[in-house]
Amino acid sequence: DTAVSQTPKYLVTQMGNDKSIKCEQNLGHDTMYWYKQDSKKFLKIMFSYNNKELIINETVPNRFSPKSPDKAHLNLHINSLELGDSAVYFCASSQTGTTDTQYFGPGTRLTVL
Amino acid sequence: SQKIEQNSEALNIQEGKTATLTCNYTNYSPAYLQWYRQDPGRGPVFLLLIRENEKEKRKERLKVTFDTTLKQSLFHITASQPADSATYLCARISGGSYIPTFGRGTSLIVHP
Repeated sequence: DTAVSQTPKYLVTQMGNDKSIKCEQNLGHDTMYWYKQDSKKFLKIMFSYNNKELIINETVPNRFSPKSPDKAHLNLHINSLELGDSAVYFCASSQTGTTDTQYFGPGTRLTVL
Repeated sequence: SQKIEQNSEALNIQEGKTATLTCNYTNYSPAYLQWYRQDPGRGPVFLLLIRENEKEKRKERLKVTFDTTLKQSLFHITASQPADSATYLCARISGGSYIPTFGRGTSLIVHP
């Protein structure tokens, strides 16, 4: 009965590779997000996706792209990985019209070598 | 830009005492503030929310206050326990936006 799930939990890859992280929520929420948490534990929003409206944090490189096949899924694709992409990536969901409480997934620790 | 500031230093307290964590925001008051708990290796978990027009909110041993004059929210855990040890994150939601801005979080360590 996991609310927000992510795969994989850990991802180790070489610089220059392309990788994807998958996210699914079974809460029936209409908005999903991707966050990046760096080594200093700062949680920064990368994207939010609501009813086919994508809001992008302008600081996110265009090597990152979210893809939503349906309302319950928001995957994150990363092209040409760089060392600085190493971080923990969290998926989250919320329901608009409420208090926007975020329900987070367990996180994916990405390590770029 | 709208910022959220939390004390980056860890807070160490003895079991049974009240822990008080601070969250300061800049510019105009957010529509509401949220508090989350994050344990190592896990995603944040929502704890409490307080609206701009509320002074105080309680949930079991937790209490949150919102002072628009000081531009500050305080998060209290009474009768703290070692199991309360975690990082606590504050997030602001501004009117017209459903996207939260998180603070860096404050680590709480409760010693037995």
